[in-house]
Amino acid sequence: AQSVTQLDSQVPVFEEAPVELRCNYSSSVSVYLFWYVQYPNQGLQLLLKYLSGSTLVKGINGFEAEFNKSQTSFHLRKPSVHISDTAEYFCALYTNAGKSTFGDGTTLTVKP
Amino acid sequence: EAGVTQFPSHSVIEKGQTVTLRCDPISGHDNLYWYRRVMGKEIKFLLHFVKESKQDESGMPNNRFLAERTGGTYSTLKVQPAELEDSGVYFCASSQVAGSRGEQYFGPGTRLTVT
Repeated sequence: AQSVTQLDSQVPVFEEAPVELRCNYSSSVSVYLFWYVQYPNQGLQLLLKYLSGSTLVKGINGFEAEFNKSQTSFHLRKPSVHISDTAEYFCALYTNAGKSTFGDGTTLTVKP
Repeated sequence: EAGVTQFPSHSVIEKGQTVTLRCDPISGHDNLYWYRRVMGKEIKFLLHFVKESKQDESGMPNNRFLAERTGGTYSTLKVQPAELEDSGVYFCASSQVAGSRGEQYFGPGTRLTVT
């Protein structure tokens, strides 16, 4: 069985500060890892994904994440956040079994 | 190219009523998935179609939920009769090929409120 744990349910930060949203996963098979963002009243939008190769992946809006197999983590980072980054962020994994497993979500609130 | 679309965007119904949600996947995508998020918890898998066949329906909560995908194009998810705990956001996703390394494209979701 697979599972995803997002370690923080709420992350408040000030504008232009760096942020890290933490994600740990558990799986007995190879996985592909994703971060999605959901802005208020909108659907899920793919931020970035790790499929293979370089463990540091870059996504949209200046976000990046690092896959760490030994620590089974896939933390999301941004060096300087904007008010517009306020949203809910979901970490997810996918296996060839055909379905995604999501974490509970982390609400990022960027304050002026 | 149009993305995954879902209809309606919002639905408010009373307990005991029936609701049907619709999902139109990206054209040419054989794989269609339903997920839902209830009470602000994690997004949970409901089921997976490959064309018109149910590949995996292990996430369907009970027999009040019926999913169909006639002709392998759009899909419907019917809840009959609806209960209060069915309230949440129902997401649909599609992908081109099974095992396609997670390239699932999500729709905007349908927010269902059961009163």
